[in-house]
Amino acid sequence: SAVISQKPSRDICQRGTSLTIQCQVDSQVTMMFWYRQQPGQSLTLIATANQGSEATYESGFVIDKFPISRPNLTFSTLTVSNMSPEDSSIYLCSGKVGGDTEAFFGQGTRLTVV
Amino acid sequence: SQQGEEDPQALSIQEGENATMNCSYKTSINNLQWYRQNSGRGLVHLILIRSNEREKHSGRLRVTLDTSKKSSSLLITASRAADTASYFCASPRRGANNLFFGTGTRLTVIP
Repeated sequence: SAVISQKPSRDICQRGTSLTIQCQVDSQVTMMFWYRQQPGQSLTLIATANQGSEATYESGFVIDKFPISRPNLTFSTLTVSNMSPEDSSIYLCSGKVGGDTEAFFGQGTRLTVV
Repeated sequence: SQQGEEDPQALSIQEGENATMNCSYKTSINNLQWYRQNSGRGLVHLILIRSNEREKHSGRLRVTLDTSKKSSSLLITASRAADTASYFCASPRRGANNLFFGTGTRLTVIP
């Protein structure tokens, strides 16, 4: 199994600012994903982080708002840009080794925008 | 949407009792997975059951899968206070590699 270190674990940010969340995996994973979990809700996929190329975004999520980088197989960042209170959520990164295998998750970043 | 529906949304039981959570999904799947989430933190993988399997055990966990009914259940036997968490079913998205997550069941085990 892989261990994913995600930071920060929580942050309180002013509206209009940006926050970058980092995830480091202790071993190579083929796929990395970023999810958002709004209070009391399930997980919604933001995008698939592609190594060395632009991320693949889901409907309703755009690169200008959620730029993602993945320079190598073990590291990825998600930036939440120009934040508003509606961006207050838990953000989770996830990795998988193969298509039909289980996923590993970071500990999540609890973001509050004031 | 491929997202699974889980019931109940919330479940409260006494320590030592069994807890059963159900998951229904809409499209055919290769496997179905169950995850636990403590207090809004990261998810922990519990068990994966493949579409050609009907039942699987792991410690105090028992998972069943009925592909004809597009449903799965997770049974936690002899529950403990430490089992208090949210539980999600998830399945791989067709044609992609990410997971679709169910709506989740919030389990509270009272000591």
